[in-house]
Amino acid sequence: QVQLQQSGAELVKPGSSVKISCKASGYTFTSYDMHWIKQQPGNGLEWIGWIYPGNGNTKYNQKFNGKATLTADKSSSTAYMQLSSLTSEDSAVYFCARRQFAYWGQGTLVTVSS
Amino acid sequence: NIVLTQSPASLAVILGQKATISCTASESVNKFGINLMHWYQQKPGQLPKILIYNEFSRAPGIPARFSGDEAELNFTLTIEPVEADDVATYYCQQGLTFPLTFGAGTKLELK
Repeated sequence: QVQLQQSGAELVKPGSSVKISCKASGYTFTSYDMHWIKQQPGNGLEWIGWIYPGNGNTKYNQKFNGKATLTADKSSSTAYMQLSSLTSEDSAVYFCARRQFAYWGQGTLVTVSS
Repeated sequence: NIVLTQSPASLAVILGQKATISCTASESVNKFGINLMHWYQQKPGQLPKILIYNEFSRAPGIPARFSGDEAELNFTLTIEPVEADDVATYYCQQGLTFPLTFGAGTKLELK
């Protein structure tokens, strides 16, 4: 069965960067785009962007240009999202989700605090 | 960007009755005759789960109590009859153009 396993919670300092992973299993990783979604505490869902692991193509929500960088490692079937220059506004749960959002990772909580 | 306006923000329904959630799109989400509008359920502390895709198609395992409809740019998620397990926040999402966008959510509670 399709599974997306995300890395654990992160506590990071303002101004630093963090890299979250999403390991896929149960399907051909290179055949489906992987999306990333942000959810701040008590708030709704915000689409960050997607990557197509087959060729590395990416598409970003303009709001996250310069903030998020999406990559994928075909050898380990793992998608990554790096967030840079972190501020308190980046504190949120981040989800990976496969194409059409039928499958989601369990979410990774990122807390930005000094 | 396509803006999705959901209403109401919260909704209290009696067990066994009907819940109706609306989502109005700022422009068409139609591609080749299919409205790329999807609905999700998110229970507290859990990840979102897809309920309805492409306006009215139920995702695998989703009971017939959940249905989707459309009139012009107004999309509707109906839950009838409401069960206790349906307490959650519901989101609409358009899949036509980037950036993909979500509605702000509707919190369903029991009266």
